[in-house]
Amino acid sequence: AQKITQTQPGMFVQEKEAVTLDCTYDTSDPSYGLFWYKQPSSGEMIFLIYQGSYDQQNATEGRYSLNFQKARKSANLVISASQLGDSAMYFCAMRNNAGNMLTFGGGTRLMVKP
Amino acid sequence: SQTIHQWPATLVQPVGSPLSLECTVEGTSNPNLYWYRQAAGRGLQLLFYSVGIGQISSEVPQNLSASRPQDRQFILSSKKLLLSDSGFYLCAYELTGGWNSPLHFGNGTRLTVT
Repeated sequence: AQKITQTQPGMFVQEKEAVTLDCTYDTSDPSYGLFWYKQPSSGEMIFLIYQGSYDQQNATEGRYSLNFQKARKSANLVISASQLGDSAMYFCAMRNNAGNMLTFGGGTRLMVKP
Repeated sequence: SQTIHQWPATLVQPVGSPLSLECTVEGTSNPNLYWYRQAAGRGLQLLFYSVGIGQISSEVPQNLSASRPQDRQFILSSKKLLLSDSGFYLCAYELTGGWNSPLHFGNGTRLTVT
């Protein structure tokens, strides 16, 4: 069975600073993908970034980067130069070859202070 | 490019009434389709998924059912709503499937059962 854990229920960050949102996972499948989603107060789930288990480099998408530490089974999201519009819930998710279902963590609420 | 539409955006229904939520995807053919539910302040729970017309897999036994009458249409139904059916329902699609394929979500339906 696969499991995703986000230990930070809520976080504050000052505008223009960087912030790291933690995510740890557990799976026995060597093939898996890790995903981060952003959910603003309006409710839609926005796909941000993807990291594959065989990827050698950390994924980056604009101001988002993924700090992938395979041995520690962690896939932390780093947001650089935070903006007020980054205030939202952030979900880490994983799917592997076995079940192939996307499993979500409990989420982290990020609040950006002006 | 693909787009996904979900409606209605909000719904208030009495206990015991029927439910029909609709989701359609444009710009692709034969997508995999998913229904997720999110309780207030929680992560997402997979309810149903479909890999083709008439093919529905249920992840959680409950008061709900799903149907896929057309290639790009996915419907979530209930004959008699319970209070516990309240929540935020999200439809999602993916193009290719597999552990490295992200899901793309609609804007969601907020259901309140009174």
